[in-house]
Amino acid sequence: DIQMTQSPSSLSASVGDRVTITCRASQGISNYLAWYQQKPGKVPNLLMYAASTLQSGVPSRFSGSGSGTDFTFTISSLQPEDVATYYCQKYNSAPLTFGGGTKVEIK
Amino acid sequence: EVQLVESGGGLIQPGGSLRLSCAASGFTVSSNYMSWVRQAPGKGLEWVSFIYSGGSTYYADSVKGRFTISRDNSKNTLYLQMNSLRAEDTAVYYCARHGGTSYSYNGMDVWGQGTTVTVSS
Repeated sequence: DIQMTQSPSSLSASVGDRVTITCRASQGISNYLAWYQQKPGKVPNLLMYAASTLQSGVPSRFSGSGSGTDFTFTISSLQPEDVATYYCQKYNSAPLTFGGGTKVEIK
Repeated sequence: EVQLVESGGGLIQPGGSLRLSCAASGFTVSSNYMSWVRQAPGKGLEWVSFIYSGGSTYYADSVKGRFTISRDNSKNTLYLQMNSLRAEDTAVYYCARHGGTSYSYNGMDVWGQGTTVTVSS
């Protein structure tokens, strides 16, 4: 099975900073990658699919890129409401594995 | 309004069985790709099972042979039958709809609020 490795596992940044999270697949998955945000105590929320397509209603400060095995998720200007754990997930075929998550905090 | 509402969680002894339900409104379960995802206390998200709109089913290795995903089209409801439960199955269980079309899917764009399963003696 394909493994999904996210890094870092946590980060602390200042409001307005650019934040980047990476997700690496152990084998190529084309662009079949989604990103989710889960705020503390809340249900996960889809931010992006097809590696770089923003889900409707998601702010444009979120962006994604990559294809094959290496993917990047970026928050261009971190806001207080972005405090959350972010997960990548492959969906090219089962199992639909999630990455381990990246906890984003405000410095 | 598009919505998913889970039910059926609770406290169950190891080796026991439980059936989770996920009632959908605002869309048709049988026309969509649907998943169950779980989250153990303080841990990350774990994909559990997946049913295609065409009916094919898939499972994580950790639950294969013990869990069964199904749907009742007349009730527009998704189910997860969980047998031979173990302590490590303790988690919040979410059902979720995959975005996309009847022929392809992408990320999970609609989630239920989750139902808690605790496996303990």
